[in-house]
Amino acid sequence: SAVISQKPSRDICQRGTSLTIQCQVDSQVTMMFWYRQQPGQSLTLIATANQGSEATYESGFVIDKFPISRPNLTFSTLTVSNMSPEDSSIYLCSVTLSGRVDEQFFGPGTRLTVL
Amino acid sequence: AQTVTQSQPEMSVQEAETVTLSCTYDTSESDYYLFWYKQPPSRQMILVIRQEAYKQQNATENRFSVNFQKAAKSFSLKISDSQLGDAAMYFCAPNAGGTSYGKLTFGQGTILTVHP
Repeated sequence: SAVISQKPSRDICQRGTSLTIQCQVDSQVTMMFWYRQQPGQSLTLIATANQGSEATYESGFVIDKFPISRPNLTFSTLTVSNMSPEDSSIYLCSVTLSGRVDEQFFGPGTRLTVL
Repeated sequence: AQTVTQSQPEMSVQEAETVTLSCTYDTSESDYYLFWYKQPPSRQMILVIRQEAYKQQNATENRFSVNFQKAAKSFSLKISDSQLGDAAMYFCAPNAGGTSYGKLTFGQGTILTVHP
């Protein structure tokens, strides 16, 4: 299994500012993903964080708005840029272990409120 | 692209009774996994049960079992002997291979209420 921590756990931000969310895993993992969960909604995949290269974004998400870094096999960051109230969501990172897609482990999430 | 439909926004069950949550999906992949995740108010995503598409036998995990109908692309979750701790949002999610390797597509979710 994998133990995942996220920082911060929650934050309240002003519109127009940016917030960087950190995701730390206790072991080296193959794949890391970032999801968004808007209030009362399901989870939507933002991007796959690739180690040592640019993230792969899903339709509707762009690098300028959600820049992602993954400097090594245990750590990734997601930045929510130029925030608006519509960005108020829970942001979750998840990982799969090496060579396995039969389970995906999730971090505890970061609850973001934009005023 | 995958699509996932959970047609029951809310379900309720009496403690100790059985409830079934439905899920249908669409995928062009032939080999994939299917998952049910539970999200309690703490918002932590918890894996409830998984099914490998190439296995005909339905998966079971203690009080949780699935009814997997591959041809119909249906993947329902049965919770037996429901407990108060089962109250949560439940998400169905296929995990396909190919170009979508590792990515989960989530259904809209079903809120399960358990009455004492």
